[in-house]
Amino acid sequence: DTEVTQTPKHLVMGMTNKKSLKCEQHMGHRAMYWYKQKAKKPPELMFVYSYEKLSINESVPSRFSPECPNSSLLNLHLHALQPEDSALYLCASSQVSQGRTEAFFGQGTRLTVV
Amino acid sequence: QQQVKQSPQSLIVQKGGISIINCAYENTAFDYFPWYQQFPGKGPALLIAIRPDVSEKKEGRFTISFNKSAKQFSLHIMDSQPGDSATYFCAASIRGGGADGLTFGKGTHLIIQP
Repeated sequence: DTEVTQTPKHLVMGMTNKKSLKCEQHMGHRAMYWYKQKAKKPPELMFVYSYEKLSINESVPSRFSPECPNSSLLNLHLHALQPEDSALYLCASSQVSQGRTEAFFGQGTRLTVV
Repeated sequence: QQQVKQSPQSLIVQKGGISIINCAYENTAFDYFPWYQQFPGKGPALLIAIRPDVSEKKEGRFTISFNKSAKQFSLHIMDSQPGDSATYFCAASIRGGGADGLTFGKGTHLIIQP
C-alpha cells in the first residue's frame, strides 16, 4: 500500500470559519509533510513532521496550524483564512533515513476561501 | 533564490517522439533527485529518481541522465504518448538523516500531440 489519503477532496470555507484537513498513511513512514500548491506552480513546503514532532515550519502564518496525533495521521487546522490561501493542499510522507526514500503524495484538498 | 531551475516551461512533442526536460541545481548538498508527474487536479506522483553516484537510470520509457560536475539532470521520455501529457516537476533533497522536504523546479507542461 503506497497510498496517502487526504480528506476532504474539496473544501469551501468562509474567512471566519474553522476547518481541518486530514491526511493518513499506513506505509510506516515517520516523516509527513504539508505542501501548498497554487495553479501552475510547484508545491511549496509548509511543514515537516519527523517522528511526530514538528521539525520544519517554513514561516507559515499562524492561521495554519499543523498537528500530528500519531505516526499515521497528520492534520492541518485552518482558521481565519484569506482568499489568497485558496490552493491545493498536499500531504506527503516518506521514510526518515540516511538512504533517502521516495516521498508519496496524496491527491490533495482543493481549498477555496470565500 | 530558486535552488532548482527547470526548463522548458512548456513542451510540445509529437506522438512517438522523445521528450526532454532539463534541470540544474546550485546546492551541492543535494543528493537525491526525483521526478514527479502531475495530472490536473491530482497530487504529484513519483516517476523516477536518481542519486548522484550513478549517471543514468532507466525505468521503462523514462530515463534520468545525471551530470554531477555540471550540476544538471534531465528526464527523457522515449516513444512519448498522449497519456504522458502532464506537468513534470524535477526536485531535489538532501540526504543525511531526518526529513527536510523537497525543493521543486517550476515545472514543465508537456503536451504530446497525436
